[in-house]
Amino acid sequence: QEQLVQSGSELKKPGASVNVSCKASGYTLIDYGVNWVRQAPGEGLEWLGWVNTYSGHPTYAQDFTGRFVFSVDASVSTAYLQIINLKTEDTALYYCARDNTALDLWGQGTLVTVSS
Amino acid sequence: DIQMTQSPSSLSASVGDRVTITCRASQTISTYLHWYQFKPGKPPQLLVYSASHLQAGVPSRFRGSGSETDFTLTINSLQPEDAATYSCQQTLRSPRTFGRGTKIEIK
Repeated sequence: QEQLVQSGSELKKPGASVNVSCKASGYTLIDYGVNWVRQAPGEGLEWLGWVNTYSGHPTYAQDFTGRFVFSVDASVSTAYLQIINLKTEDTALYYCARDNTALDLWGQGTLVTVSS
Repeated sequence: DIQMTQSPSSLSASVGDRVTITCRASQTISTYLHWYQFKPGKPPQLLVYSASHLQAGVPSRFRGSGSETDFTLTINSLQPEDAATYSCQQTLRSPRTFGRGTKIEIK
């Protein structure tokens, strides 16, 4: 059974960093890219970018350059999203999703809450 | 950026009804348009890819159509389990933008 399993909810203070993991099972991670998407409370979906899991090369949406970092560890079939210097407006549900023409397989989401 | 305008933002319909959601792109995107279903606490699900192709395992009551700038997701014979939020996404150009979503409530 193919699935993406994300790490659990995080509560962080402004200025801190957070790492969200996305572990693939049932298929080979490096066969497909991984996209990152978020939804802030009461807001629409935002596409953060994607990572080529074979090469590790990330592509960031313009609004998500600088503080957002995509990485991959193929040895453990896991993609990562790191957000540095967190801001309260980063509070959102973060999803990873497999890139296969469309986003055909999604993680369950990781809630990141940024609050002082 | 390509803007995706989705309507309506919410609707209420009865079991058995036909429901239509539309998505309009701010520029032509051929058929690089996909539809997703979102339910709280569950991984989102791809319903339709490339405008009109039903994803494997998705009930045939879901139907996507359209091309260029205007797209439609139709649910024939609405079922209770279809209560959810539906969003479109274009993948022609980066950033791969989403519509704001349509929340469907079952009367």
